[in-house]
Amino acid sequence: GDSVTQMEGPVTLSEEAFLTINCTYTATGYPSLFWYVQYPGEGLQLLLKATKADDKGSNKGFEATYRKETTSFHLEKGSVQVSDSAVYFCALSDGTGGGNKLTFGTGTQLKVEL
Amino acid sequence: NAGVTQTPKFQVLKTGQSMTLQCAQDMNHEYMSWYRQDPGMGLRLIHYSVGAGITDQGEVPNGYNVSRSTTEDFPLRLLSAAPSQTSVYFCASSSYQGSPETQYFGPGTRLLVL
Repeated sequence: GDSVTQMEGPVTLSEEAFLTINCTYTATGYPSLFWYVQYPGEGLQLLLKATKADDKGSNKGFEATYRKETTSFHLEKGSVQVSDSAVYFCALSDGTGGGNKLTFGTGTQLKVEL
Repeated sequence: NAGVTQTPKFQVLKTGQSMTLQCAQDMNHEYMSWYRQDPGMGLRLIHYSVGAGITDQGEVPNGYNVSRSTTEDFPLRLLSAAPSQTSVYFCASSSYQGSPETQYFGPGTRLLVL
């Protein structure tokens, strides 16, 4: 079945540092890939997505590129802020369940300090 | 536009008790789903629905029942609560129009089973 593997957290960075959170996946066919973010005490929000190979999703300074050859979708940001502290989830949709079913990774907690 | 709402926010149950977690959305979304979030395991799909009157099982359906009598509501029932059901529960919805893979999450219900 489908699966998503993320790097273990927590990741602790100083403000303005470069961020990379690794994500790799296993799926049949050509899944769509997502990054969701969960701020403390809240539900998940879509951060960015990519629906086909070589697509780059971007939002709020975050970027991720769909790499089919390495089955990866790593999240990057050039300069993190304290307000980026949250849990980040990589996810995929393989088109089953009407295209809406998501398989999530375990999440990576990011802590950004001054 | 309230989005996805969930009640209650927090609940304590004793083993063997039953309860219903409520979920409602006002976006006229066809697809609704329930996830549980446990430390180190990410989000796992419990049940989902592709429209009123249609439900199906996800990855971890045992111990939970659902029904979908209206487009707006998708309650999750615990028939006989067990300590293993201690978790944070999220309801999500999405539409088949536009970007069907983009899911909108509620704020969550934290459940403690003693």
